[in-house]
Amino acid sequence: AQSVTQLGSHVSVSEGALVLLRCNYSSSVPPYLFWYVQYPNQGLQLLLKYTSAATLVKGINGFEAEFKKSETSFHLTKPSAHMRDAAEYFCAVSVYGGSQGNLIFGKGTKLSVKP
Amino acid sequence: DTGVSQDPRHKITKRGQNVTFRCDPISEHNRLYWYRQTLGQGPEFLTYFQNEAQLEKSRLLSDRFSAERPKGSFSTLEIQRTEQGDSAMYLCASSSLRVFSADEQYFGPGTRLTVT
Repeated sequence: AQSVTQLGSHVSVSEGALVLLRCNYSSSVPPYLFWYVQYPNQGLQLLLKYTSAATLVKGINGFEAEFKKSETSFHLTKPSAHMRDAAEYFCAVSVYGGSQGNLIFGKGTKLSVKP
Repeated sequence: DTGVSQDPRHKITKRGQNVTFRCDPISEHNRLYWYRQTLGQGPEFLTYFQNEAQLEKSRLLSDRFSAERPKGSFSTLEIQRTEQGDSAMYLCASSSLRVFSADEQYFGPGTRLTVT
């Protein structure tokens, strides 16, 4: 069965600092992995996805994530945080490792950005 | 704008009442998903449709929950005899099935349900 663990329910960084949000997955088949962002009282917006092509995936708003099979990780990074990045971020894995159905989400990491 | 829309955005109801939520997916998307999100948690899958067929419904929380997508376009999620524990954000997402590719799910803004 697939699962996702996000380490750290709350991360705080200063504006301009590196953002690192951690995600580890468990999957019995090659996974498809996603990062979504959720702003207050809104739905989820896709940041990026890994689909077994390049292991370094670039997304919107300057975010990127690296798939590391040996570490079962898919951490999200951004070189320089902006105030507008303050939101909740969710890592998700696709069931069956393909386009078969639903996503399984982690519990989320709330990112705060200090001026 | 042709994104996923949900109606209503907010619903307050008394315990024991029935509620129905509507989701209109992106028009060319044939897959539609329902999720529930409680405070401090990630979205939890409930059910999904491919066109009008409900392909997975075992994750619906109880027999009080039901969903339909009668013509393969919009969908409704109904909760009968609501309980306070049903208070949550109900999210709808849609995607376009592509073989050998992870389908990107696009989410609506959600319906926030409060049961008093």
